[in-house]
Amino acid sequence: SQTIHQWPATLVQPVGSPLSLECTVEGTSNPNLYWYRQAAGRGLQLLFYSVGIGQISSEVPQNLSASRPQDRQFILSSKKLLLSDSGFYLCAWSVHAGGYNEQFFGPGTRLTVL
Amino acid sequence: AQSVTQLDSHVSVSEGTPVLLRCNYSSSYSPSLFWYVQHPNKGLQLLLKYTSAATLVKGINGFEAEFKKSETSFHLTKPSAHMSDAAEYFCVVSDSNSGYALNFGKGTSLLVTP
Repeated sequence: SQTIHQWPATLVQPVGSPLSLECTVEGTSNPNLYWYRQAAGRGLQLLFYSVGIGQISSEVPQNLSASRPQDRQFILSSKKLLLSDSGFYLCAWSVHAGGYNEQFFGPGTRLTVL
Repeated sequence: AQSVTQLDSHVSVSEGTPVLLRCNYSSSYSPSLFWYVQHPNKGLQLLLKYTSAATLVKGINGFEAEFKKSETSFHLTKPSAHMSDAAEYFCVVSDSNSGYALNFGKGTSLLVTP
């Protein structure tokens, strides 16, 4: 069966510090991968998605970036965190067959920027 | 463009009574619709999905939803609430025009009282 991992589970970082969140998927190959952010009291905002190694699409311009160095690895990064980057970050995957298929979510990373 | 509106931000029910979480959608194409549940500080779990098959969809944990095209609705119901159902619920729409994006509602927080 497929599983999706995210780490760390929680993170407290000062403003201006770098960020690296990691997501890995097991039990499937060539998945679509997604990064979402969930701010307090709001829905989910799609940040990035990837349909293959090295292929990243950005949905919202901001100081975050994403990379996919391996088929089942998706990394969310920032060079300098802002207070507004605080939130709950969720990684998700779907089968590589278009946009209709449901997405499966990881456990999330709670990021607090102070 | 597609969109989804969850009509209630908070719903409170007593344990053992029915649950109704309301969702309306708009889509120019044949939509896929999903309900996800999120327990505090956890990832999202798929409850059920509609993808143009039967209009009454049964999901996990006794939940079901009915796709009503004439009313553009996809309300989530459960005959009898359990304490463990207390969580945030998201209605989600996707269609052939949305690419890889899932369009999330803002969520409904379900409170179950003893």
